[in-house]
Amino acid sequence: QKEVEQNSGPLSVPEGAIASLNCTYSDQGSQSFFWYRQYSGKSPELIMFIYSNGDKEDGRFTAQLNKASQYVSLLIRDSQPSDSATYLCAVTSGTYKYIFGTGTRLKVLA
Amino acid sequence: ETGVTQTPRHLVMGMTNKKSLKCEQHLGHNAMYWYKQSAKKPLELMFVYNFKEQTENNSVPSRFSPECPNSSHLFLHLHTLQPEDSALYLCASSQEYPFDEQFFGPGTRLTVL
Repeated sequence: QKEVEQNSGPLSVPEGAIASLNCTYSDQGSQSFFWYRQYSGKSPELIMFIYSNGDKEDGRFTAQLNKASQYVSLLIRDSQPSDSATYLCAVTSGTYKYIFGTGTRLKVLA
Repeated sequence: ETGVTQTPRHLVMGMTNKKSLKCEQHLGHNAMYWYKQSAKKPLELMFVYNFKEQTENNSVPSRFSPECPNSSHLFLHLHTLQPEDSALYLCASSQEYPFDEQFFGPGTRLTVL
């Protein structure tokens, strides 16, 4: 089992819809959770981080963390074609390692 | 300069060449990282330096040699590379490893002929 798992996609959503991206992790002791966006040919950039169970909202983005079920998700409301990118989940594990998932490619269709 | 800078942005080298990649962070961070990203593959962590000390080396071949002279600068020395080493090499930094978000440089696109 991979330490941090994401569906590679592509996930296609129409413009204006909600995009839901999911990430599961294997280490119950994981402490910090991050979402990055990476446009093709560019470097990753941080979108959000979350440490506590529940939801955290920032503009059109909402991160959701459920430690009991060991998943973290990212919701993008009112998706725009400019949101088309690969979204990377990263986790600080209980063994104090920073681990990236393989990423989910999102395509927002105009 | 702000953020994390990397030079050169593009590099083409032969298998017998020796070259170096440079990374500099202007954020006052304590940890720096080298990642490799091949086409359509996930990020591969290569090395981690925390307070100038190497804390992780993820089974990277010895033809890649990192150097961290201080908390702001990180180098990756390359020699006798293989064509399969062609990739985007990303440098990143964070305030504290491994709890904080990482800030990435623009990367060096390396082609080995």
